[in-house]
Amino acid sequence: GNSVTQMEGPVTLSEEAFLTINCTYTATGYPSLFWYVQYPGEGLQLLLKATKADDKGSNKGFEATYRKETTSFHLEKGSVQVSDSAVYFCALSRTSYDKVIFGPGTSLSVIP
Amino acid sequence: EAGVAQSPRYKIIEKRQSVAFWCNPISGHATLYWYQQILGQGPKLLIQFQNNGVVDDSQLPKDRFSAERLKGVDSTLKIQPAKLEDSAVYLCASSLSDEQYFGPGTRLTVT
Repeated sequence: GNSVTQMEGPVTLSEEAFLTINCTYTATGYPSLFWYVQYPGEGLQLLLKATKADDKGSNKGFEATYRKETTSFHLEKGSVQVSDSAVYFCALSRTSYDKVIFGPGTSLSVIP
Repeated sequence: EAGVAQSPRYKIIEKRQSVAFWCNPISGHATLYWYQQILGQGPKLLIQFQNNGVVDDSQLPKDRFSAERLKGVDSTLKIQPAKLEDSAVYLCASSLSDEQYFGPGTRLTVT
């Protein structure tokens, strides 16, 4: 079945460090891929998405590229800030309107 | 634009009691989802509605969970009777296309 695997946390980085959170997926066909973020005490928010192979999603300095050949969608940011501390979820959806299948989440803490 | 509203935000009940959660989606969003998020895990879909019809309820424990979406707008999720393992955050989401908008969730603790 369809599933998402992502690197385990927690991840602790110093401010301005480079961030990578690995994500791989298993799915038939060409799913849409997402990164959601959950800030402390808040609901899930869509961070970025990509809907076809080689697409790059980007938002707030975060980027992820849809790699069909490696079934990956790794999240990167060149310089993290304390305000980026949150839980990040990689996710997929087979089609529009379909349910979203989430990975287990990776907790990120950025220290000054 | 108002977001997805959920209530209550927190609920504590004893096992074998019943509980209900309410969700008001973003106006005009035909698709509504209920997810269960157990601590330390990603959300898992319980049920999906398209207007007031059920699209997917394959992961809903139907012996104790029920959900309805009367008139294709608001939705209610009920648990009766609750078990300890139902302790989780219950998230409601709605969508118009491929982007889902999530509410703040209801944190349920079953003691």
